[in-house]
Amino acid sequence: NAGVMQNPRHLVRRRGQEARLRCSPMKGHSHVYWYRQLPEEGLKFMVYLQKENIIDESGMPKERFSAEFPKEGPSILRIQQVVRGDSAAYFCASSRTSGMYNEQFFGPGTRLTVL
Amino acid sequence: KQEVTQIPAALSVPEGENLVLNCSFTDSAIYNLQWFRQDPGKGLTSLLLIQSSQREQTSGRLNASLDKSSGRSTLYIAASQPGDSATYLCAAPGNAGNMLTFGGGTRLMVKP
Repeated sequence: NAGVMQNPRHLVRRRGQEARLRCSPMKGHSHVYWYRQLPEEGLKFMVYLQKENIIDESGMPKERFSAEFPKEGPSILRIQQVVRGDSAAYFCASSRTSGMYNEQFFGPGTRLTVL
Repeated sequence: KQEVTQIPAALSVPEGENLVLNCSFTDSAIYNLQWFRQDPGKGLTSLLLIQSSQREQTSGRLNASLDKSSGRSTLYIAASQPGDSATYLCAAPGNAGNMLTFGGGTRLMVKP
């Protein structure tokens, strides 16, 4: 049973370009979470999705950032018009259930560098 | 709003020593707490998940305890090895029980 998969592992973009980060949850998991780890800072929650639905996006910046988890295919975190401050490691996690007893499993992360 | 704090931020010990990492959280109405390990430039590896009904959880040389009433969890590492060198993170669920709130981590260095 493969773990959470993320690609690309490293992504370099110039300011103003778009970044698309992909996450495939573990088999049997229908809940996906995105977290961001800025340099020298802790991990911060961004968004929680179930298939075709955004459940909680309270941690996601209101502009330029969007996330989706379509019925088929991976979850996508999209950052439009990237700026240097977007440089960070973006981690995806998945869980089988939601709520009080869920255990989240993390992917290896995508390290975004904005030049 | 859940807040998680880890002390110390960094720790350096000689090989073979037993050590304790501390984690405190402000909202004690949690149902579980997770401990993770993160190696430099890598992802997170789940070490232990303690349910609120449990007081302890053990895996090999690792033992995690949870005291909801005091808002504290500890990770005990026995007979530390250089391979244990990493950042250790604890995470507690937020109010909705879905998102995790992470502590700042303890950066552990075990010297041969």
